[in-house]
Amino acid sequence: DAGITQSPRHKVTETGTPVTLRCHQTENHRYMYWYRQDPGHGLRLIHYSYGVKDTDKGEVSDGYSVSRSKTEDFLLTLESATSSQTSVYFCAISEGLTSGSTDTQYFGPGTRLTVL
Amino acid sequence: GEDVEQSLFLSVREGDSSVINCTYTDSSSTYLYWYKQEPGAGLQLLTYIFSNMDMKQDQRLTVLLNKKDKHLSLRIADTQTGDSAIYFCAESRRNNFNKFYFGSGTKLNVKP
Repeated sequence: DAGITQSPRHKVTETGTPVTLRCHQTENHRYMYWYRQDPGHGLRLIHYSYGVKDTDKGEVSDGYSVSRSKTEDFLLTLESATSSQTSVYFCAISEGLTSGSTDTQYFGPGTRLTVL
Repeated sequence: GEDVEQSLFLSVREGDSSVINCTYTDSSSTYLYWYKQEPGAGLQLLTYIFSNMDMKQDQRLTVLLNKKDKHLSLRIADTQTGDSAIYFCAESRRNNFNKFYFGSGTKLNVKP
């Protein structure tokens, strides 16, 4: 299994509070991603990173920000959590297309966030 | 998201074959993937196929790719109750920061 951990694994918070989720990898992969998973929507990309300090928005980025100050960590922040951000959040990593490899994404175990 | 579609549910009997279908729209796909998600867990890579291949077999799994119709399928032979899960197809596209586009997932229910 790819070395990806997410913390916390579960969190309950109140509307309006800031929340930061952490993704940590030990694979030295270049690309990192944050997704949210909701019933009927599959996985939707929130933000992604293609290197240290290089990030960009995905399809559902409103209300979220990210930071990547070192290769192994990718942080997702909800500045002021809302009930619509109750979801399961997955981090993924990828080496990207390199000689002899595919661009497979490997997923972390997920963080279940509830915003009351 | 973004034009990758799957049917939502599939129910089969143990020992039968399961076929999960996926359609996509972008012709610049590089690889197409199948992931499995068990309850409360993350996504586990099952198999993948390069976009210039027609078929790939891996033990009980057979992936068929019809590029003309942009149709991908996953066949699971001799389906077991442990195969009950949600299956996601995903495509990666050339020169797109390695972003994936996922279907909504097909929930496979295997009845004993």
